[in-house]
Amino acid sequence: AQRVTQPEKLLSVFKGAPVELKCNYSYSGSPELFWYVQYSRQRLQLLLRHISRESIKGFTADLNKGETSFHLKKPFAQEEDSAMYYCALYSSNTGKLIFGQGTTLQVKP
Amino acid sequence: ETGVTQSPTHLIKTRGQQVTLRCSSQSGHNTVSWYQQALGQGPQFIFQYYREEENGRGNFPPRFSGLQFPNYSSELNVNALELDDSALYLCASSAAGKNTEAFFGQGTRLTVV
Repeated sequence: AQRVTQPEKLLSVFKGAPVELKCNYSYSGSPELFWYVQYSRQRLQLLLRHISRESIKGFTADLNKGETSFHLKKPFAQEEDSAMYYCALYSSNTGKLIFGQGTTLQVKP
Repeated sequence: ETGVTQSPTHLIKTRGQQVTLRCSSQSGHNTVSWYQQALGQGPQFIFQYYREEENGRGNFPPRFSGLQFPNYSSELNVNALELDDSALYLCASSAAGKNTEAFFGQGTRLTVV
């Protein structure tokens, strides 16, 4: 079965603290994974994709095929990082994105 | 600004009624996908349209149907509305050959009473 699991509904940290949003997936084949973010009152937008191996707004995510994980990390959280974060898996045989349930990141001052 | 627009933004319908939601894709994008996002959940794939043909469908009943027009805009139609259809409906467009770079609209909030 193709599935994305985000075990934490809410992650609350203080400004400057490290952040790790967890994502595990189930997929037969070579996965394409993404992190999407939704800031308050804004549309869902792409944050980063694993094939780009890029850092966006200080966030990085490494695909670990052995652990079937794609955790999102940032060394020092900022208040403006507060948002809903979704991990998503692209299913190439159906053309769809499979989303996790999302994690709300709350960065306190 | 991503350029994907959806209308209306909010809608209230009665159980049993039919509803049509609309989406204008971003310029240059010929693929449109629709997602349903229930409260507290991640978006769930309904179906995708490519060049006016359905090109993939999720686990939704036939009363969920769609259309794509020559200008690549799209409609989502839901017949015989049920209370559980209350959700945020998202449209995402992407360019040919880049199906995974999806740009989302703001969504239509449908409430069924």
